[in-house]
Amino acid sequence: DTEVTQTPKHLVMGMTNKKSLKCEQHMGHRAMYWYKQKAKKPPELMFVYSYEKLSINESVPSRFSPECPNSSLLNLHLHALQPEDSALYLCASSPGGSSGGPRSSYNEQFFGPGTRLTVL
Amino acid sequence: QKEVEQNSGPLSVPEGAIASLNCTYSDRGSQSFFWYRQYSGKSPELIMSIYSNGDKEDGRFTAQLNKASQYVSLLIRDSQPSDSATYLCAVIDFNKFYFGSGTKLNVKP
Repeated sequence: DTEVTQTPKHLVMGMTNKKSLKCEQHMGHRAMYWYKQKAKKPPELMFVYSYEKLSINESVPSRFSPECPNSSLLNLHLHALQPEDSALYLCASSPGGSSGGPRSSYNEQFFGPGTRLTVL
Repeated sequence: QKEVEQNSGPLSVPEGAIASLNCTYSDRGSQSFFWYRQYSGKSPELIMSIYSNGDKEDGRFTAQLNKASQYVSLLIRDSQPSDSATYLCAVIDFNKFYFGSGTKLNVKP
């Protein structure tokens, strides 16, 4: 299995709802990422998990709550979102690990298809 | 803050021509560089990574890295209409990707 999967593909939610996005990979990758992408903009990093531990939080509002239950799975819990949070949410994974060094395919990130989120 | 600069385009080339996409970066210490292709409404797809000065070829794609001048480029030979997409340049530092804003490429039949 050489892909990153994300569910759901589309999600519409109200500002008072609680929902979760799911990401899964079975490539044995040890680093997983959440990105947010608005139209005509590059992906914007939200969170990085390395070896199932949160290693980077890019000052994301607390209404976004990540979770990494195991090395293959990454969730993003959503609560009390705002309409401006509507975007494409992308999950990515990379082989990770420090043995690869900075110039290594260990750093190559592979993206899932994304979840298109609309907040009403 | 690391900066990665790309011309937003659109870059228009005729089918069969060579498309040349350029990217400059601000941190002289950067060591890993990536090119992604993103079709409208889809997620980014890794095309190539490059770490050493010089050229790296993969099929119709050639990545070029010049660390002294702090630029990385992507050449697409024999461009096809299916290559029409936005191309994102990325630089990595400690697990964080810094993306350029992307260059939109249009290949005209």
